[in-house]
Amino acid sequence: QVQLVQSGAEVKKPGSSVKVSCKASGGTFSSYAISWVRQAPGQGLEWMGRIIPILGIANYAQKFQGRVTITADKSTSTAYMELSSLRSEDTAVYYCARDLGGIAARYAFDIWGQGTMVTVSS
Amino acid sequence: QSALTQPASVSGSPGQSITISCTGTSSDVGSYNLVSWYQQHPGKAPKLMIYEVSKRPSGVSNRFSGSKSGNTASLTISGLQAEDEADYYCCSYAGSSPVFGGGTKLTVL
Repeated sequence: QVQLVQSGAEVKKPGSSVKVSCKASGGTFSSYAISWVRQAPGQGLEWMGRIIPILGIANYAQKFQGRVTITADKSTSTAYMELSSLRSEDTAVYYCARDLGGIAARYAFDIWGQGTMVTVSS
Repeated sequence: QSALTQPASVSGSPGQSITISCTGTSSDVGSYNLVSWYQQHPGKAPKLMIYEVSKRPSGVSNRFSGSKSGNTASLTISGLQAEDEADYYCCSYAGSSPVFGGGTKLTVL
């Protein structure tokens, strides 16, 4: 069974960037879309974007266009999410999640990483 | 895109059934059968409970069921159990990206 293991917690200054990794183990990686979803403290879930590693194609939520970059390294079965120009409102837990539909996105996320806490503070 | 609308909280006693609604628009819930539901316990990652409106992933109890009518999707949990106490989120494709509901806290009395 595929597992997604994310990198550890980060503390960043406003205006800086953060890059979070999501490594897949135990199964196929490249032929499934990987999405990034964040959750601010005490708040709901928010979809940021996704990538299909085998195609190298990423698309982003309009809110994050220009500020987020999602990439994938097929050789290491790892997806990355980089968020720039950080502000305090970006403080959140960031999750990677696999779409069970494979390349044909069903926007149903069946496997999740454990989450990475990103704190933005001066 | 605006978040889907869910009640902030619902409650029920063990053994009872409850339904959580998720109201969107004709641009999301009403147009696509790509509605999913997630259960989230405190400090944990979300867990997929229902996808494509009414399908259950392997391993999810058949006490959980989903449906849709017009612009509103619903999650029903029958035979409530203590471990069902959690936050629940709906999600729908909205034409270019998915949108989540604000979440519903389920309390098992």
